[in-house]
Amino acid sequence: QQQVKQSPQSLIVQKGGISIINCAYENTAFDYFPWYQQFPGKGPALLIAIRPDVSEKKEGRFTISFNKSAKQFSLHIMDSQPGDSATYFCAASDNRGSTLGRLYFGRGTQLTVWP
Amino acid sequence: NAGVTQTPKFRVLKTGQSMTLLCAQDMNHEYMYWYRQDPGMGLRLIHYSVGEGTTAKGEVPDGYNVSRLKKQNFLLGLESAAPSQTSVYFCASRVLAGVYNEQFFGPGTRLTVL
Repeated sequence: QQQVKQSPQSLIVQKGGISIINCAYENTAFDYFPWYQQFPGKGPALLIAIRPDVSEKKEGRFTISFNKSAKQFSLHIMDSQPGDSATYFCAASDNRGSTLGRLYFGRGTQLTVWP
Repeated sequence: NAGVTQTPKFRVLKTGQSMTLLCAQDMNHEYMYWYRQDPGMGLRLIHYSVGEGTTAKGEVPDGYNVSRLKKQNFLLGLESAAPSQTSVYFCASRVLAGVYNEQFFGPGTRLTVL
């Protein structure tokens, strides 16, 4: 059973536009929600993360919106640039339980930003 | 600091052959992980280790074995490779404790099994 569901699978956005990627989860014990960015031929790298005690976190052009009651969170990329073209993974973990903070990843979204 | 390194970067095997993938980290991290990445499937956890001498199964452990004899190294073994194990393999590590559970990934090993 997939713990974190991510959509869309692929996304094409024009330069300057807003990219939005959505994720949903079921396990209410999850208490950490990171987003990872992966460029072709590279390993994923942490982009931004949020804990459920806040509804939004912003770092530059990247914002996570978190809806605890709906068990959903999303990544917004404002003023999208061609250099943002990459695969994005959402993830979740339960840092207090028996899973020892194991990350459960979504299936990824391939973002293409056209110049 | 080199961070997380993986050896080799590429490998082609024939069905039934064996091989070992090596992951090394120089950040003194306690936890280490092996993932496989396949198109449309995201990152799936194969095995992980919470400390030297310990290992545990992840989501897709069948056909793989691991060992963590030294804190800085985590080895992934394929005893008898199958075409279904064609994938990109990533190793990751993180500190033992911390509010933010950031995992640091290596550059990956692309494995093809013919």
